[in-house]
Amino acid sequence: EAGVAQSPRYKIIEKRQSVAFWCNPISGHATLYWYQQILGQGPKLLIQFQNNGVVDDSQLPKDRFSAERLKGVDSTLKIQPAKLEDSAVYLCASSSGQNSEKLFFGSGTQLSVL
Amino acid sequence: GEDVEQSLFLSVREGDSSVINCTYTDSSSTYLYWYKQEPGAGLQLLTYIFSNMDMKQDQRLTVLLNKKDKHLSLRIADTQTGDSAIYFCAERRRGSTLGRLYFGRGTQLTVWP
Repeated sequence: EAGVAQSPRYKIIEKRQSVAFWCNPISGHATLYWYQQILGQGPKLLIQFQNNGVVDDSQLPKDRFSAERLKGVDSTLKIQPAKLEDSAVYLCASSSGQNSEKLFFGSGTQLSVL
Repeated sequence: GEDVEQSLFLSVREGDSSVINCTYTDSSSTYLYWYKQEPGAGLQLLTYIFSNMDMKQDQRLTVLLNKKDKHLSLRIADTQTGDSAIYFCAERRRGSTLGRLYFGRGTQLTVWP
């Protein structure tokens, strides 16, 4: 089966610019997650969607970060405006939500804010 | 301090066993996980253990859980160069969704031929 697809693979921007990341989960997976992984740390959950609804966005910095999953399939994560401390790998993951403990991760988008 | 702690580096020779250790702080943890991350890739679930178990074996992998000490370990038997990666321990707390995992900083495993 095809895995979780993310694009772009790399992005370099200057501070105060905007950036958007895209994720297409595994077909049929109802639950989609965005994580932020800062260098040398484990991933931190930013937002979780169940179909097109938000389940958990408690750790999303809402003053600058936004995410949507309008049709309950693919999703975009946006940062506007970016700060230096946003430099990280942004990982998307999905799960089937059917009594499974398995998260499937994409390869991530590496963001550098200069 | 960190909620989930791991040593940062481990080096072993090919064919030896590797043991990666992890400690966590929340006694309400329901599931504990081991994820593997290779360079430039996302995380891959290796195995997980439910909190009422003390051991789980899956081919070359053995997970040991000491709930009293809040200590989790991952043993890789007959370690191969392809096992070189970062290994993350993660816990899921009672009442948390699957995605709200608390990860350690990861242990970089280097396997020498």
